[in-house]
Amino acid sequence: DAKTTQPPSMDCAEGRAANLPCNHSTISGNEYVYWYRQIHSQGPQYIIHGLKNNETNEMASLIITEDRKSSTLILPHATLRDTAVYYCIVRVGHNDYKLSFGAGTTVTVRA
Amino acid sequence: KAGVTQTPRYLIKTRGQQVTLSCSPISGHRSVSWYQQTPGQGLQFLFEYFSETQRNKGNFPGRFSGRQFSNSRSEMNVSTLELGDSALYLCASSLTGEIYNEQFFGPGTRLTVL
Repeated sequence: DAKTTQPPSMDCAEGRAANLPCNHSTISGNEYVYWYRQIHSQGPQYIIHGLKNNETNEMASLIITEDRKSSTLILPHATLRDTAVYYCIVRVGHNDYKLSFGAGTTVTVRA
Repeated sequence: KAGVTQTPRYLIKTRGQQVTLSCSPISGHRSVSWYQQTPGQGLQFLFEYFSETQRNKGNFPGRFSGRQFSNSRSEMNVSTLELGDSALYLCASSLTGEIYNEQFFGPGTRLTVL
């Protein structure tokens, strides 16, 4: 599996955009980038995923660089309820049915 | 549509006992995965089932086992419990488990081994 690197923590002001970086320099062409978050003591929550193109849904936007070696998750208007651990995960192309979680980024949204 | 449900939510056992945890996936989902989360090791993959067959297995001892029924519901069993098995056990369901299908997690079962 391609490994990911994320900053251990970051702060964000409520109402501002939160930009969460992730490096995956060894990613292969058929590997997807997934983002999940985990609010304290709850199960991880799916946010978004992408292969090559940028993606947007009601929760966030995912920007993947052209060389696919890094990506950024954007929470457009962070709220206090967005405080969580955010995981960037790369999934391989075939016969990979698991999610390999790293340490993630602890995001704290401050009022 | 109902989400992934796990029962029980909390469980206390003593060393040497065995335990069975249950997971009901989202309706229509055929893949069920299990994860263990501890403060020291983080989230670790246990195994994945699809159509009653185990397709993937993580690096856990044989004391950890699972199965899936024809209705896609899944159970996991831990025998001869050890203190280190205390953890949050999470179940996730997916349409097929393929990499283009997202996995949806349940709230977890908090197991405490005394």
